Amino acid sequence: GAVVSQHPSRVICKSGTSVKIECRSLDFQATTMFWYRQFPKQSLMLMATSNEGSKATYEQGVEKDKFLINHASLTLSTLTVTSAHPEDSSFYICSATSAIEQYFGPGTRLTVT
Amino acid sequence: QKEVEQNSGPLSVPEGAIASLNCTYSDRGSQSFFWYRQYSGKSPELIMSIYSNGDKEDGRFTAQLNKASQYVSLLIRDSQPSDSATYLCAVRMKTSYDKVIFGPGTSLSVIP
Repeated sequence: GAVVSQHPSRVICKSGTSVKIECRSLDFQATTMFWYRQFPKQSLMLMATSNEGSKATYEQGVEKDKFLINHASLTLSTLTVTSAHPEDSSFYICSATSAIEQYFGPGTRLTVT
Repeated sequence: QKEVEQNSGPLSVPEGAIASLNCTYSDRGSQSFFWYRQYSGKSPELIMSIYSNGDKEDGRFTAQLNKASQYVSLLIRDSQPSDSATYLCAVRMKTSYDKVIFGPGTSLSVIP
């Protein structure tokens, strides 16, 4: 099946710094990628939809100036958490859509100290 | 009303029994429905996708869809301890970019 990679898999950063997470579709082109966040014992919450070559569409309540999304090519989307705070600590998961199915990356565990 | 709802868990079944997981959704225009399994600390993995009314079987898994009732279910036959996980129902909404929304998940425990 299709493969989506994420990097890094785990990151620890200090409060106030920025962290970039990459999401790549390895064997297919994805015009649309989704970014989700998952807190412990909760479901995946959609943060934003990333469209290649255009601005991302953010869900209600998600700060677009804090969570910067760039979809520079058909195989790469990045999420930058700016001025991270401990409450941003979470599991961030990207997914990419082929014609029908949606494939998930392995996730990035962010811990802000 | 939440966009995607699932029966509250945790659900416990004995090994070999049938586990039944339910999901309802609010967007009547939705056309694509998915069941994912998620182990603790891991990313979700797709089990089944279903697009038409009726049943779809894949091994021990059967997905059932009723668009009139806005209801989708997943049956797991001959449940195994390795099936113990959180099961997430996901629905592709009919929006300009077809976003996929997840339900809260149902935790399943299969008791040996």
